[in-house]
Amino acid sequence: RKEVEQDPGPFNVPEGATVAFNCTYSNSASQSFFWYRQDCRKEPKLLMSVYSSGNEDGRFTAQLNRASQYISLLIRDSKLSDSATYLCVVKGYNNAGNMLTFGGGTRLMVKP
Amino acid sequence: GAGVSQSPRYKVAKRGQDVALRCDPISGHVSLFWYQQALGQGPEFLTYFQNEAQLDKSGLPSDRFFAERPEGSVSTLKIQRTQKEDSAVYLCASSLAKRTSGRAYEQYFGPGTRLTVT
Repeated sequence: RKEVEQDPGPFNVPEGATVAFNCTYSNSASQSFFWYRQDCRKEPKLLMSVYSSGNEDGRFTAQLNRASQYISLLIRDSKLSDSATYLCVVKGYNNAGNMLTFGGGTRLMVKP
Repeated sequence: GAGVSQSPRYKVAKRGQDVALRCDPISGHVSLFWYQQALGQGPEFLTYFQNEAQLDKSGLPSDRFFAERPEGSVSTLKIQRTQKEDSAVYLCASSLAKRTSGRAYEQYFGPGTRLTVT
């Protein structure tokens, strides 16, 4: 079983739709949580951190449920430019302290 | 300011050849990471440096993989006797974070080197 699991999709949604992605992680010692965005043939870029209380950044809302080891990302009023792969990421504290563990990504395609 | 740069951007190698991939992190970034991303997968951790010290190499898939960062800045990932399964994008990331800081400093990724082994 992978440490971070995501539905690979693709999620095909019309412009303006609300879409939600979920992610589960297996290591209960994980300390920090993120969503990264990766455009086709580009590098991953940080979209937002995920806090226990839940947090919002414009049209994007992220939530964390530590008891269930579950992370979500909600995108409201989808834009064509939101089309990308969304990577769920956890950060633990192993010997190195800083490595990121990525899920396989969820692909989103927003259509006109 | 300049971000993380990697070279070459694309590399085609014949099976059995050695390759060297370069990463120039953001100036002043203490931590440097290498990740491997296979097609359709998320990046997977290979190794981590804090300055010139390689603190974690647990993700290197075999002893054919070797990484160094001798002066605590530029890093090179070397793959000896390349195999077809080594074909992937190799991503380098850097961050300000130090091991003891406890803060989740953002990792900034370079554009990657796409390695194809034929």
